[in-house]
Amino acid sequence: EAGVVQSPRYKIIEKKQPVAFWCNPISGHNTLYWYRQNLGQGPELLIRYENEEAVDDSQLPKDRFSAERLKGVDSTLKIQPTELGDSAVYLCASSLTGGLSYEQYFGPGTRLTVT
Amino acid sequence: GEDVEQSLFLSVREGDSSVINCTYTDSSSTYLYWYKQEPGAGLQLLTYIFSNMDMKQDQRLTVLLNKKDKHLSLRIADTQTGDSAIYFCAEVGYSTLTFGKGTMLLVSP
Repeated sequence: EAGVVQSPRYKIIEKKQPVAFWCNPISGHNTLYWYRQNLGQGPELLIRYENEEAVDDSQLPKDRFSAERLKGVDSTLKIQPTELGDSAVYLCASSLTGGLSYEQYFGPGTRLTVT
Repeated sequence: GEDVEQSLFLSVREGDSSVINCTYTDSSSTYLYWYKQEPGAGLQLLTYIFSNMDMKQDQRLTVLLNKKDKHLSLRIADTQTGDSAIYFCAEVGYSTLTFGKGTMLLVSP
């Protein structure tokens, strides 16, 4: 079974430029998460989707970050414009809603460097 | 709010046991998790424990939960060099995970 797929794996851009990350969750997982992991920290939730609906986006900086999950499968996270402080690893995860253990399966992440 | 604390670093010799500790604040957490992150990789779920359990064993891994003290530990028996990684403790709150900052485990030959 394929795991969570993310692309690109690495991205280096100049500040103020836009960037987009893509995630394909595990087949059949209707819950999708985007996390940001700063250096030396644990992941922090940005947004959670149940199917195509964003059910928790309270930690998403909405002035520059946006996300979508059309058709309730793949998802895209966008930052426009980027700032130096956005440099981090952006992780996507998926899980089965209503599962007994809320097990989340993580992708390898996209490492963003803003210069 | 929820908060998860971990020690930042642990160094052991190959073959020894490793014990990684974690404290959490949300007493309503139903599940507590241990994730492993190797360099350049995403997080891999190692094991989890339900809040009504005191202990869970899974091969070389033993999880101990002291709910009164809100303390969770992960013991790795016969630690191998391949166990070198960052280990994250996480608790569930409102269907989302709150992670600690991670404990870097370094296993020397």
